[in-house]
Amino acid sequence: GQQLNQSPQSMFIQEGEDVSMNCTSSSIFNTWLWYKQDPGEGPVLLIALYKAGELTSNGRLTAQFGITRKDSFLNISASIPSDVGIYFCAGRIYSGAGSYQLTFGKGTKLSVIP
Amino acid sequence: DAGVIQSPRHEVTEMGQEVTLRCKPISGHDYLFWYRQTMMRGLELLIYFNNNVPIDDSGMPEDRFSAKMPNASFSTLKIQPSEPRDSAVYFCASSRRGDRAYNEQFFGPGTRLTVL
Repeated sequence: GQQLNQSPQSMFIQEGEDVSMNCTSSSIFNTWLWYKQDPGEGPVLLIALYKAGELTSNGRLTAQFGITRKDSFLNISASIPSDVGIYFCAGRIYSGAGSYQLTFGKGTKLSVIP
Repeated sequence: DAGVIQSPRHEVTEMGQEVTLRCKPISGHDYLFWYRQTMMRGLELLIYFNNNVPIDDSGMPEDRFSAKMPNASFSTLKIQPSEPRDSAVYFCASSRRGDRAYNEQFFGPGTRLTVL
């Protein structure tokens, strides 16, 4: 299946610092998504991107859809303790016979040191 | 408004036993998805339904896995017989109809399955 390479795998940052993570693929995607998963819960959609070059913000979060359509990044500004969790990128692909699927990266585990 | 409801939250069973996971999607949602999450493979789509009809089950690992959606408010994922390698967190998600709405999948809290 399609592979999404997400980096870094984990990061420890000081509260107040900015965070950047990215996702790359050898395949072209028409939609890029960023989800966050808190411990013991399911992922929650943060940002959806639909056009190459698109830059979208959601509060302190900003994500961009790469021009090549093969990558995306997520930035978090002025991190706070509740930003802790695992962040997943996901790309939407056509898997044939009228079916679309979301392919998820392995996630970036974020730890924030107060 | 209630989110996606899954039961049980935790299941511990012995190899060879039948396991049934249950999901109630958000009312009014047309799509229902079953995912499996492991450390090694991450989050994988197993199967999804549109208006109770299975659309794509290419992610179902093998014949031991089956899923049903008898009505718009209930779905089951069954593993028979279960094996230790089936140990994972299983998520159910649902979304509304519509090209962009499809992407906003609302996940349940998951069922953590341990097969001994």
